[in-house]
Amino acid sequence: GAGVSQSPSNKVTEKGKDVELRCDPISGHTALYWYRQSLGQGLEFLIYFQGNSAPDKSGLPSDRFSAERTGGSVSTLTIQRTQQEDSAVYLCASSLMGQSIYNEQFFGPGTRLTVL
Amino acid sequence: GQQLNQSPQSMFIQEGEDVSMNCTSSSIFNTWLWYKQDPGEGPVLLIALYKAGELTSNGRLTAQFGITRKDSFLNISASIPSDVGIYFCAGQLTSNYQLIWGAGTKLIIKP
Repeated sequence: GAGVSQSPSNKVTEKGKDVELRCDPISGHTALYWYRQSLGQGLEFLIYFQGNSAPDKSGLPSDRFSAERTGGSVSTLTIQRTQQEDSAVYLCASSLMGQSIYNEQFFGPGTRLTVL
Repeated sequence: GQQLNQSPQSMFIQEGEDVSMNCTSSSIFNTWLWYKQDPGEGPVLLIALYKAGELTSNGRLTAQFGITRKDSFLNISASIPSDVGIYFCAGQLTSNYQLIWGAGTKLIIKP
């Protein structure tokens, strides 16, 4: 079956512009996660959704970052007034259920964001 | 944010050699996970460890959950060209779903 998909795969934008990154999780997965991966670094947790609710937004780096999920499926991560330090690969993952150590997270290929 | 200490940062090995990498943390984890990431792809789970002392194999890969619950290692035996990539450890705390990630070990196989 289809895995997690993300779009666009690459995004180049100018400093100060807003960007939207999309994630389509695996069908039937109720939990969805956003991570940020900077060059040569591990993954940094941003936000977690259980259904359409985000019980934990603590990883969002600033109020320029927001995310929503609709219909318990697609999620959009929005970065407003982008800065050069926002340049990174943004990864989305989904799992069958959240809040369990036994629920494997399946990752999408990521969106590479470059802010000029 | 919090990160695990993963070493080595990179490894240059000959095909056929064994590989070992490890992760340590100041925090106690209930789960240790090992992922591999190929260029342009998201990480893929290799091995999951759920109990202190647990030793688990997946083909040529073997991983162990340290007795102190603060460390884990991954061994790859008889490396082959398709093993190249970046290997990440990740730990999961008891209290929540969040994964804490190491910075990765880049495996390069010398021709």
